[in-house]
Amino acid sequence: KAGVTQTPRYLIKTRGQQVTLSCSPISGHRSVSWYQQTPGQGLQFLFEYFSETQRNKGNFPGRFSGRQFSNSRSEMNVSTLELGDSALYLCASSSQLAGLTDTQYFGPGTRLTVL
Amino acid sequence: EDQVTQSPEALRLQEGESSSLNCSYTVSGLRGLFWYRQDPGKGPEFLFTLYSAGEEKEKERLKATLTKKESFLHITAPKPEDSATYLCAVPNSGNTPLVFGKGTRLSVIA
Repeated sequence: KAGVTQTPRYLIKTRGQQVTLSCSPISGHRSVSWYQQTPGQGLQFLFEYFSETQRNKGNFPGRFSGRQFSNSRSEMNVSTLELGDSALYLCASSSQLAGLTDTQYFGPGTRLTVL
Repeated sequence: EDQVTQSPEALRLQEGESSSLNCSYTVSGLRGLFWYRQDPGKGPEFLFTLYSAGEEKEKERLKATLTKKESFLHITAPKPEDSATYLCAVPNSGNTPLVFGKGTRLSVIA
């Protein structure tokens, strides 16, 4: 079974620009979560989508947004980029149903550098 | 707020020198504890899920155990290829799927 894929793997942007990252979950998984990883803060939860609906949201500004499509693929968007947005963005998928906790499987990440 | 604390932050071992990594958590109604391994620049790789106190799981040189307040990842006779950052995570009782510890950076020297 193919794992979680993320594109692109690397991105370099300048302040003020916007960026869109893509994630394809494991086949059959309906839950997709996004995390931001930085050396200082570690892994921090951004949001989770399940069946095209945002089910949970972390404590990030509104510049961070996402969506999920009917085939469970997900995108996240960051507008008006700031230097502090430089990070590894990770996508994880699971077959998690409401109320249960299932294993999340991570993709390789997208390394975003903001100059 | 639910917390996950891992110790030590970094650990340097000689090849073959066994040791343990600790993950302590404060969450009401634990619904699972997850261990991941992460290599530099890569996504976390799933290792184990533990659901109840007393549960143990093994994989090659790794063994994870769980009590009501903490989990241990025991590494027996480690090899250089075991060098990585080991992360533990628990589902938050609030609104986030997983809350991660900061990780333990393990270096195994030949």
